[in-house]
Amino acid sequence: QKEVEQNSGPLSVPEGAIASLNCTYSDRGSQSFFWYRQYSGKSPELIMFIYSNGDKEDGRFTAQLNKASQYVSLLIRDSQPSDSATYLCAAATPNTGNQFYFGTGTSLTVIP
Amino acid sequence: ETGVTQTPRHLVMGMTNKKSLKCEQHLGHNAMYWYKQSAKKPLELMFVYSLEERVENNSVPSRFSPECPNSSHLFLHLHTLQPEDSALYLCASSPFSHGGVAQYFGPGTRLLVL
Repeated sequence: QKEVEQNSGPLSVPEGAIASLNCTYSDRGSQSFFWYRQYSGKSPELIMFIYSNGDKEDGRFTAQLNKASQYVSLLIRDSQPSDSATYLCAAATPNTGNQFYFGTGTSLTVIP
Repeated sequence: ETGVTQTPRHLVMGMTNKKSLKCEQHLGHNAMYWYKQSAKKPLELMFVYSLEERVENNSVPSRFSPECPNSSHLFLHLHTLQPEDSALYLCASSPFSHGGVAQYFGPGTRLLVL
C-alpha cells in the first residue's frame, strides 16, 4: 500500500514566522513530489514540485526532499494570514503512470 | 476560459436521479483525471484518461461512469448514487499520463446525495 503521511495539524504560526510542513512517503520508487494549497471550500492549487534531493526555492516557498529518509517538507517564510489553508503533499511513481498518492493534508493557520 | 473548468459547481440529487458532471481543460493537456475528495480522507483517484482512452480505473462502483469524447472534455455520469457518495468531485489535467508530471485541478463540483 503506497501511503503519504502528513500531520493533520492544525499548525499555528504567527505572522512573519516560518511555517514548516512535513510529509513522509512509503514507496521508495516515488520520484516526483508536489505541494498543493487548498483553501476552505476551494480546489487544490499547485504551489511547488520537486524531483531531486535537496532544496528548491520559489519566492517565499522552499521544498526540501530527502529520498534516503523518504521525507518531503515545505517551508513558508514570512508567513502571511493569506497562507492559512490546508497543504496537501503528493507523491508520484513513474511506473504507475501519473498516479498521485495524496496525504490527508496539514491545516495551517497564520495568526496576525 | 482558462485552466480547468467544471460544471455544475454544486449539485443536489436524489438517490434515483441521473446527472452528469462536466470538465473542460484549456491547457492543451493529454491526460485528464477524476478525483473524489471526502472529509478527513486523502484525494481518491477514480479515473484516468490519456488521449481519450481510459488508462486507470481504481475499482470505482459502476454507478459512476466516465466519458471522454476528446482530450479537452471529460464527463462523469452519475446514477443511483448513495448518500456516502456525497463529496467534492475534482477534475484535473496534466500534459501526459506518465512521468510524474504536475496535475492541475478544476474548481470541483460539490455533490450532495439525499
